[in-house]
Amino acid sequence: GENVEQHPSTLSVQEGDSAVIKCTYSDSASNYFPWYKQELGKGPQLIIDIRSNVGEKKDQRIAVTLNKTAKHFSLHITETQPEDSAVYFCAASRAEYGNKLVFGAGTILRVKS
Amino acid sequence: GAGVSQSPSNKVTEKGKDVELRCDPISGHTALYWYRQRLGQGLEFLIYFQGNSAPDKSGLPSDRFSAERTGESVSTLTIQRTQQEDSAVYLCASSSLDRANYGYTFGSGTRLTVV
Repeated sequence: GENVEQHPSTLSVQEGDSAVIKCTYSDSASNYFPWYKQELGKGPQLIIDIRSNVGEKKDQRIAVTLNKTAKHFSLHITETQPEDSAVYFCAASRAEYGNKLVFGAGTILRVKS
Repeated sequence: GAGVSQSPSNKVTEKGKDVELRCDPISGHTALYWYRQRLGQGLEFLIYFQGNSAPDKSGLPSDRFSAERTGESVSTLTIQRTQQEDSAVYLCASSSLDRANYGYTFGSGTRLTVV
């Protein structure tokens, strides 16, 4: 089955700096890769996703890149703010719609002001 | 409702007791998922319902765990004879198969503590 590895497990950055979180996956048939943000005491919230037919997607300060050959994808957050502090999870799915997601172990991001 | 609703938000139970967790998905979402999140860890898939299809139960850790869903609405996750290792946050998510709106919406979870 699919296995998703995520690095680093914790990341501390200064406010205004960029943060990068990387994930690798094992199943070459996976074709949907979302990122979730989880704040304390809440459920994860989808922040951005990418499908296998594109290599990069951007939404304001966040961007995701996908390298299908190498089976890895990354989340980039620019101009970090204290409210970006949270746990971030990557995930992968075999089917674009209506299939279970396999999640990475998460990255604790701390933005220091 | 506007989001996925889970109840109770917290549950403390004695080892060996049965517990039932409830999830109300977003209206119109045909897919519903249960995940378990142990303290400081990632999300572990448990079970997936899609419309009237047979559920994908491949993530259920033992036969003490079971789940049901009535049509495309409420789902209940039941844990029988609870053990201390069952302590975790149980998260429910629902999704639409509408291409433009696809993506899981999670509830806030049920924090289960087995003492």
